[in-house]
Amino acid sequence: DAGVIQSPRHEVTEMGQEVTLRCKPISGHDYLFWYRQTMMRGLELLIYFNNNVPIDDSGMPEDRFSAKMPNASFSTLKIQPSEPRDSAVYFCASSFGGSGYGYTFGSGTRLTVV
Amino acid sequence: DAKTTQPPSMDCAEGRAANLPCNHSTISGNEYVYWYRQIHSQGPQYIIHGLKNNETNEMASLIITEDRKSSTLILPHATLRDTAVYYCIVRVRAGEYGNKLVFGAGTILRVKS
Repeated sequence: DAGVIQSPRHEVTEMGQEVTLRCKPISGHDYLFWYRQTMMRGLELLIYFNNNVPIDDSGMPEDRFSAKMPNASFSTLKIQPSEPRDSAVYFCASSFGGSGYGYTFGSGTRLTVV
Repeated sequence: DAKTTQPPSMDCAEGRAANLPCNHSTISGNEYVYWYRQIHSQGPQYIIHGLKNNETNEMASLIITEDRKSSTLILPHATLRDTAVYYCIVRVRAGEYGNKLVFGAGTILRVKS
């Protein structure tokens, strides 16, 4: 398996633009997580899905952020409109069975909003 | 929710054992302790987990005290490639069915030659 695949690896966008981050989890994994990492706040869990259904979105910062998982092999995290404070590395992770081990993280998307 | 406390940084000589401590004094009886690490600019990587018995795998050993209020991750022969941020995590309950991993600040381990 190629692991968790995120795209793009880097994204530079202007303030106010819509940004869409993409994630392909490991085949067979039933949990998918979106994390955000900044120097100031560390790794923050934004939202996670179980069997494509959002379970906990309490970490989503505000209405500008939305996440979807239309099927078991694809998820998106959208920011609209983007702001400079959204600049961060966004990680997607997947796991099987909901246990705390065996989370596999993608390589991340480094987002810069100017 | 159980929380963990780790030292912000540690140094270790290459080839020596690295012992990374973690306090989790509010851990519940059925909560596991998980360790992940993050090498610069990569996503976190799972290392090991345990409930109350000591655990060992090809990467590391995990020693959990009898009262479960603290644990130590041991890298038996640290190499320069082990330089990373190490996270000790106790899973947090999230909703009726879910659990989630909440990452703290972790310990920056610097392995020096």
